[in-house]
Amino acid sequence: RKEVEQDPGPFNVPEGATVAFNCTYSNSASQSFFWYRQDCRKEPKLLMSVYSSGNEDGRFTAQLNRASQYISLLIRDSKLSDSATYLCVVPSSDSGAGSYQLTFGKGTKLSVIP
Amino acid sequence: DADVTQTPRNRITKTGKRIMLECSQTKGHDRMYWYRQDPGLGLRLIYYSFDVKDINKGEISDGYSVSRQAQAKFSLSLESAIPNQTALYFCATSDSSGYADTQYFGPGTRLTVL
Repeated sequence: RKEVEQDPGPFNVPEGATVAFNCTYSNSASQSFFWYRQDCRKEPKLLMSVYSSGNEDGRFTAQLNRASQYISLLIRDSKLSDSATYLCVVPSSDSGAGSYQLTFGKGTKLSVIP
Repeated sequence: DADVTQTPRNRITKTGKRIMLECSQTKGHDRMYWYRQDPGLGLRLIYYSFDVKDINKGEISDGYSVSRQAQAKFSLSLESAIPNQTALYFCATSDSSGYADTQYFGPGTRLTVL
């Protein structure tokens, strides 16, 4: 299994729709996970951190399934401004004591259509 | 003012030229990173530094070198640029307070090697 794998999309959804992205990871020892958002030609920015079974922030919900080693991101009531690429991020498998290195997925592109 | 700045923002150069990309941060973070991003390949770690005296190679360090001049400054050099080093380069920082820390990215440098 690749370290971090995401469906590249694109996901084209209408405004108001609910959309979910999945991400699988290989490092079973990982304790924390992240979703970053990257707008076109801009830098990635942290969207959510996931340290336990899940996290919710407004319209965004991240869930973690350790047994199956996947993380999901759910976006409810999609807005035009949600259009971006969403990066799944997991501490690296081979980083020594303290997983300071992060492995980034290739990203899932979301386009919200009027 | 931005917390993480990169200069230059865009650069076009020729094969064989020496190029330096600079990164400065005002976040007071110990850790700094250099990544490159290529279409379809996601973000890949080039080098990282946990403090001024600590430099480590990342996944793709060949052809690159770095210098940590101060806590706030981390430079990336391409000693002899080649076309396949054409990419979007990001600098990032994180603090040392946790297991896997949030990384804050600069705006990126778009480098083209002809």
